Amino acid sequence: NAGVTQTPKFRILKIGQSMTLQCAQDMNHNYMYWYRQDPGMGLKLIYYSVGAGITDKGEVPNGYNVSRSTTEDFPLRLELAAPSQTSVYFCASSYPLAGAYNEQFFGPGTRLTVL
Amino acid sequence: DQQVKQNSPSLSVQEGRISILNCDYTNSMFDYFLWYKKYPAEGPTFLISISSIKDKNEDGRFTVFLNKSAKHLSLHIVPSQPGDSAVYFCAASAGNNRKLIWGLGTSLAVNP
Repeated sequence: NAGVTQTPKFRILKIGQSMTLQCAQDMNHNYMYWYRQDPGMGLKLIYYSVGAGITDKGEVPNGYNVSRSTTEDFPLRLELAAPSQTSVYFCASSYPLAGAYNEQFFGPGTRLTVL
Repeated sequence: DQQVKQNSPSLSVQEGRISILNCDYTNSMFDYFLWYKKYPAEGPTFLISISSIKDKNEDGRFTVFLNKSAKHLSLHIVPSQPGDSAVYFCAASAGNNRKLIWGLGTSLAVNP
């Protein structure tokens, strides 16, 4: 199993450009998440999905869009990139069971810089 | 409003000694608490969890203690090893809401 994979690892964007961060998981997890981590800060949830075709906003959704057409893939779209979106982006997935903790499995992250 | 707080940004201990990382929370509805470990340039990895109905959970060198009345939990690492040097995040969830609420992390340095 590759687990959770993310591409690209690094990217530099100019202000106003757009891009898609790719995320895929091969564990047949129904839940998937996108987080951002700013320096010295914890993880902030951007969007999450509880299954194919279902997405919902997290704490910091502005400036981002997601889609979930398959169980495996959960791309994150940045439209009109801004310097405030400079961050490290993590994708995660999980298969939460009733009455148990929700262990989330993370990808290696994408480091994005907007100049 | 930070519902999960890790008030110590960093901690330094000697190899072989005990490391104690602390976490406080404000939401009494949290029923699961998780600790994650993160190395530079990698994603966080799950370390250990505890249910709110327990006060201790142990896994090898790692033990998590929960004090519900104080809304406080701690992660003990005994003995600490240089490979334990990483950022440790405390996270919590409540009921059917599967979202994790994260602390800001504590950077642990274990010195040889």
